[in-house]
Amino acid sequence: DQQVKQNSPSLSVQEGRISILNCDYTNSMFDYFLWYKKYPAEGPTFLISISSIKDKNEDGRFTVFLNKSAKHLSLHIVPSQPGDSAVYFCAPVKTSYDKVIFGPGTSLSVIP
Amino acid sequence: DAGVIQSPRHEVTEMGQEVTLRCKPISGHDYLFWYRQTMMRGLELLIYFNNNVPIDDSGMPEDRFSAKMPNASFSTLKIQPSEPRDSAVYFCASSPLLGANVLTFGAGSRLTVL
Repeated sequence: DQQVKQNSPSLSVQEGRISILNCDYTNSMFDYFLWYKKYPAEGPTFLISISSIKDKNEDGRFTVFLNKSAKHLSLHIVPSQPGDSAVYFCAPVKTSYDKVIFGPGTSLSVIP
Repeated sequence: DAGVIQSPRHEVTEMGQEVTLRCKPISGHDYLFWYRQTMMRGLELLIYFNNNVPIDDSGMPEDRFSAKMPNASFSTLKIQPSEPRDSAVYFCASSPLLGANVLTFGAGSRLTVL
């Protein structure tokens, strides 16, 4: 039962351009959404989050958009940098104090 | 703080052997989680503890897997007997609260079962 889908296993983007990573979920009870970033040989680290009462949250070059009716969220990175090359995991939770279920991840490569 | 410490970083073993992965959480973190990362299933939660007590082990794949937390500074994930399909990267994470944005992960233990 895949509650979280990230349908693009990989994505390549030119440096300076926008990277858009997508995530779809099925459980309408999810009300808090997180993105984690993972470099090779390291554990995932928290990147950015959004509550279901918002449709956008911005932190520097990173913006997350939430469309609750479509059960879809996306992470935008502008401008993309080579250091952004990593695997990005979408992680929705039912409350802000619930165990985390991660999506399968999208591997982003930013080409210099 | 040294962060979440996992050992070994790499383990290669033969099918049927027992494997023990170890984790030292961040001091003061009451929650400890074991995750497994595979290409097919991504990052999946196996089990988590609160104050050394297992709370949810619904993600543990089968009886060959077991996890313990004998004290606040140490946890183990054991696979006995191991099988090739257990090959994956196993992550330990800890947090002071049951909240996703405070999870701190270790660097992972890469297991290869031949």
